[in-house]
Amino acid sequence: GDSVTQMEGPVTLSEEAFLTINCTYTATGYPSLFWYVQYPGEGLQLLLKATKADDKGSNKGFEATYRKETTSFHLEKGSVQVSDSAVYFCALSNNFNKFYFGSGTKLNVKP
Amino acid sequence: DGGITQSPKYLFRKEGQNVTLSCEQNLNHDAMYWYRQDPGQGLRLIYYSQIVNDFQKGDIAEGYSVSREKKESFPLTVTSAQKNPTAFYLCASSINDRSFGNTIYFGEGSWLTVV
Repeated sequence: GDSVTQMEGPVTLSEEAFLTINCTYTATGYPSLFWYVQYPGEGLQLLLKATKADDKGSNKGFEATYRKETTSFHLEKGSVQVSDSAVYFCALSNNFNKFYFGSGTKLNVKP
Repeated sequence: DGGITQSPKYLFRKEGQNVTLSCEQNLNHDAMYWYRQDPGQGLRLIYYSQIVNDFQKGDIAEGYSVSREKKESFPLTVTSAQKNPTAFYLCASSINDRSFGNTIYFGEGSWLTVV
């Protein structure tokens, strides 16, 4: 069945460091791919998405490219800030209105 | 403003009580969902509904019940049969856009604690 695997955390970085959070997926067909961010005590917020191969989603300095050949959708940011500390979830949607989430990766950014 | 509203934000349940969590959306989305999140963990699907008056069990439906009488509303009842209900509950809804695919959006969550 469809599934998402993302790197385990926590990931601890210093401010202005480069961020990569790995995400790979298993799915039939051509799923849509997403990254969500969750701040403490809040719901998940859509960070970015991509709907077809080679698409790049971007928002707030974060980017992820839909790589069908490696079934990956890695999240990157060139220079993280303390305010980026949160839990990040990779997700996919294949069939109509069915969604699959990774287990989440906690990011801690130190000043 | 358009969005998903969950209430209450914090709820305390005594042993043996049923409690109901409210979820309302004004996004005109057809599908709605309930997820459970335990501290430091990922999301687990409790129930989902693709259309009014229809809903399906997710991965952990035991001890929970839902109804979908209106498109905007999808309340979740945590029954006394749920032995470990203390968790963070997230309601969500989704739209299927033929051009841009389907996307799921979340409410702010409700904390349920057994006392």
